[in-house]
Amino acid sequence: DAGITQSPRYKITETGRQVTLMCHQTWSHSYMFWYRQDLGHGLRLIYYSAAADITDKGEVPDGYVVSRSKTENFPLTLESATRSQTSVYFCASRLAGGSSYNEQFFGPGTRLTVL
Amino acid sequence: AQSVTQPDIHITVSEGASLELRCNYSYGATPYLFWYVQSPGQGLQLLLKYFSGDTLVQGIKGFEAEFKRSQSSFNLRKPSVHWSDAAEYFCAVALNQAGTALIFGKGTTLSVSS
Repeated sequence: DAGITQSPRYKITETGRQVTLMCHQTWSHSYMFWYRQDLGHGLRLIYYSAAADITDKGEVPDGYVVSRSKTENFPLTLESATRSQTSVYFCASRLAGGSSYNEQFFGPGTRLTVL
Repeated sequence: AQSVTQPDIHITVSEGASLELRCNYSYGATPYLFWYVQSPGQGLQLLLKYFSGDTLVQGIKGFEAEFKRSQSSFNLRKPSVHWSDAAEYFCAVALNQAGTALIFGKGTTLSVSS
């Protein structure tokens, strides 16, 4: 399907386990982003990527790892999940270039619960 | 540091009444400004955006927003609210064209009463 998709939509895991959240977009957007959404905090940037093999930290990167070997995929890995990482995770993408393209398009989100 | 403030955590409006959601930003230059809406269990949808030019911006679903440089504000308005407008609304800024990412406010939850 066209657009931006995330999988799984819901995930329950245990403390200490590794978890990978997937994000896939079909627009060939250069930029991709991972945010987490927590009550009282709005959305906070975890990592972003300007292109394949180019990633950079956002506001709250600790405990997360990203990779981007292909333009269309941007997986987010929690290497050893903690309860504080219980959250809703959103992936977003946008085109590179001028101001018109600064709009970000969001996926439907993944609700992660760490027990 | 750059920041976005949405002073109202929760607002209740009667159906058919007008709506104004407040957004203030802290940034030295003119940022790129956005309003997103999030319906329950859904992702974020762009309502409107401001980059330059006319300070009154029209968006989807009958929303508009006005950029006021002197007040560092970008308030969202709708003249007549519908029950389907109940959702969470986020104001966001991007600081430059190269745009790392958006900085979001903490959101305002809108409830619509009948």
